[in-house]
Amino acid sequence: GQQLNQSPQSMFIQEGEDVSMNCTSSSIFNTWLWYKQEPGEGPVLLIALYKAGELTSNGRLTAQFGITRKDSFLNISASIPSDVGIYFCAGGGTSYGKLTFGQGTILTVHP
Amino acid sequence: EAGVTQSPTHLIKTRGQQATLRCSPISGHTSVYWYQQALGLGLQFLLWYDEGEERNRGNFPPRFSGRQFPNYSSELNVNALELEDSALYLCASSFPGYSGNTIYFGEGSWLTVV
Repeated sequence: GQQLNQSPQSMFIQEGEDVSMNCTSSSIFNTWLWYKQEPGEGPVLLIALYKAGELTSNGRLTAQFGITRKDSFLNISASIPSDVGIYFCAGGGTSYGKLTFGQGTILTVHP
Repeated sequence: EAGVTQSPTHLIKTRGQQATLRCSPISGHTSVYWYQQALGLGLQFLLWYDEGEERNRGNFPPRFSGRQFPNYSSELNVNALELEDSALYLCASSFPGYSGNTIYFGEGSWLTVV
């Protein structure tokens, strides 16, 4: 079945640093989504990408839909302590109604 | 505007029992999705309901079932509970479903099987 490889698995950074994480797949997707999950809560949608090559920003967050449709990255600029959480990528649009999730990137930001 | 709401927040059951989890979608959303998030296993797709019908199903045994009501709310039932069913069960909703829709999650229901 479809699988997403998300990296890195975890990151420990200092406040103010930039962060980059990515997802790759052997299959193509028509949609890429990025979610953030904090302890005890459900995932919250950060950015949705619908077109190959699309680059979208949401505040300090920027994500791109890879031109091959098999990858996506998320960048966070000037990290702050509240950026702490688990970030998930998700690919969709090829299996009716189903999203395939990456394993998550655990982000820790030291003040 | 209210987001996706789920109940109960926490549920403890013993092995062999049945669990029922409930979900109300965002107003205007007709598609409801269920995902299981077990420790260390990420989010696994369980079920998708749209307009009262089950439209797609993940790789889970038949004892995981559910339904969608006329008001688009949904119920997930897990029969013959096993210890490994302990997980966070997440409900999500979207506008009328088709491939590639953006889905929004609720806060989840924690199911513990002892």
